[in-house]
Amino acid sequence: QTHLQESGPGLVKPSETLSLTCTVSGYSVNSDYFWGWIRQSPGKGLEWIGSVSHTGNTYYNPSLRSRVTISLDTSKNQFSLNLKSVTVADTALYYCVRGMSSPAAAGFWGQGTLVTVSS
Amino acid sequence: EIVLTQSPGTLSLSPGDRATLSCRASQSVGSNFLAWFQQKPGQAPRHLIFAASSRDAGIPDRFSGSGSGTDFTLTISRLEPEDFAVYYCQQYGSTPGTFGQGTKVEIK
Repeated sequence: QTHLQESGPGLVKPSETLSLTCTVSGYSVNSDYFWGWIRQSPGKGLEWIGSVSHTGNTYYNPSLRSRVTISLDTSKNQFSLNLKSVTVADTALYYCVRGMSSPAAAGFWGQGTLVTVSS
Repeated sequence: EIVLTQSPGTLSLSPGDRATLSCRASQSVGSNFLAWFQQKPGQAPRHLIFAASSRDAGIPDRFSGSGSGTDFTLTISRLEPEDFAVYYCQQYGSTPGTFGQGTKVEIK
């Protein structure tokens, strides 16, 4: 049974970097699939941030590309999200997801983690 | 990017009713890669339908998806009490993936 679990700070200061990790159990991240991040906020709804393939290819939302890095750590069976220069607009519930068929697919979700940007 | 518009915003129905939710895309969705999700308060979205009409494992057959190109529909044949929730469509045929704004199915 595959399980995705997000972890990371719940509070980040403006202008700093938001860093989250998704730990995957029950499946090897380097076997198949796309591993991605989606966020949800009251103001912007659901927003696809980006993903990394099991081979390490990355795909980003153009609206965030200049600030986002998503990477795979096969030794820990994890993948991570770094979002730099955050503002209050980046406050959201962040979900890690697994998808097949396409970089933006999201067939399986973690439970989500709330990140608040505030000084 | 592809903009998805869902209608109606809110659907007020009774248990046992049929629900029809619409999702319209601003341009054709590649490979009809259109998914539907159900979300209840405090929970992550639940994947119901992929590739416009294929049900995910464990999804009851009262949920069905249809459509192609730019017009897609999610139908719930007979609403059960646990079906009252917010439903989102998502296109994943091109990046960036995009979501509709949601349709709330509420108890009348």
